[in-house]
Order: sequence, then structure tokens, then C-alpha cells
Amino acid sequence: DAKTTQPTSMDCAEGRAANLPCNHSTISGNEYVYWYRQIHSQGPQYIIHGLKNNETNEMASLIITEDRKSSTLILPHATLRDTAVYYCIVRVGRQAGTALIFGKGTTLSVSS
Amino acid sequence: DVKVTQSSRYLVKRTGEKVFLECVQDMDHENMFWYRQDPGLGLRLIYFSYDVKMKEKGDIPEGYSVSREKKERFSLILESASTNQTSMYLCASSVGQWNNQPQHFGDGTRLSIL
Repeated sequence: DAKTTQPTSMDCAEGRAANLPCNHSTISGNEYVYWYRQIHSQGPQYIIHGLKNNETNEMASLIITEDRKSSTLILPHATLRDTAVYYCIVRVGRQAGTALIFGKGTTLSVSS
Repeated sequence: DVKVTQSSRYLVKRTGEKVFLECVQDMDHENMFWYRQDPGLGLRLIYFSYDVKMKEKGDIPEGYSVSREKKERFSLILESASTNQTSMYLCASSVGQWNNQPQHFGDGTRLSIL
């Protein structure tokens, strides 16, 4: 699986958009980008994933650059409950039975 | 919404005990996983199952066994608990075999072995 690089921490004001970047310059053509988050003392929560097109769901939007070497997770209106560690993972889609590998992630702190 | 339910949030056991951790998912997923999460070590896969009665070892299966008698339920068993098995245990499930669908996690069981 391709390696990812994320900032260690970010701050965001409540109600503003949180834009979390992820660099995956060695991504290969069949690797998807997945985002998870983990709130303290809870299990990881799946947010969104994509291959090359931008994706949006009820939680967030995922913007993938045309060369697929980086992506941005957007939380459009951050709330205090969005404070968590956010993980960007790149892996081949057809590996249903293999482990997820979480890096260090980005600690997002949302404040009022 | 996918729901993965782990039977206990917190559990305290003694060394040498046989410990059962239960996980149930309500989305008819084929794949189920057991991980442990430790500070500085990230997630490590213990076992996974891709069908009823089927199981595969993950990266750290020693000291653990699993059981999947029904599609919705995946149990992790610590045969003889030891203090180095104190950890956060996470169950996950996903649909299908060869596709891009994500894994969905339960809230975890924080297990302490005294």
C-alpha cells in the first residue's frame, strides 16, 4: 500500500470548514483513498473513500487531485464533536481480507 | 447505517482466565475482523473471517483463537489471558470479497488483564 503523509495537527473554528490534506505521491492506479477518524476511546469511524473522482456524502467531501498524488477531506461545517484523529489510508480495493494500516493521522481540534 | 456491536466496553480479567470477546454486525457482511490497538503500535490484525466457519490468521494470532458459527457473530477467545494482552480490542466488518468497500468498526473493548 502507498505511504501517506498528513500534518500532525490542525485547528478549526466551530462552524467553519475543516480542510484536511493528505499526500500520497506514490499511489498506484488501482489504489483507493480512504478516510477514517477516531474519537478518543472509541473505535475508528469510516468517513468516505474514492478512486479518482471527487466524492461527497452526508459527513464530508473528498477532493482528489487529477494526478491523484494528494487529496483533501473537507468537513463543511465543523462542530466540537468533529474533534478527533483523522487517518488517510491508501490501499488496493480488492483486499477485503487484509488489515487496515493506520499511520499517525492528523489531530483536528475544533474550538468554539 | 452499519452497526457493529461489541459486547463490552470495559472488561477486567485475571491472568490464566479464558476470555471471550463477542462481536455482532447487522449488515449481513461476509468479512469480519479482530484487531488490537496499542499506543505507538497502531492497529494490528489478529484474525479475520471471510465466511461462516472460515478463519485466517492475521499478523499476531498467537495466544488467540476465533469462532464464527453464524454470519453475524465473530468471537475472539483468549485461551489463557496474560498481562501482555491488556489492550483495546476492535471488531470490524466489511461486505464482499474482492471490492473496495470499507471496514466498519465497533466501539471497542478495553480489556485489562491483572
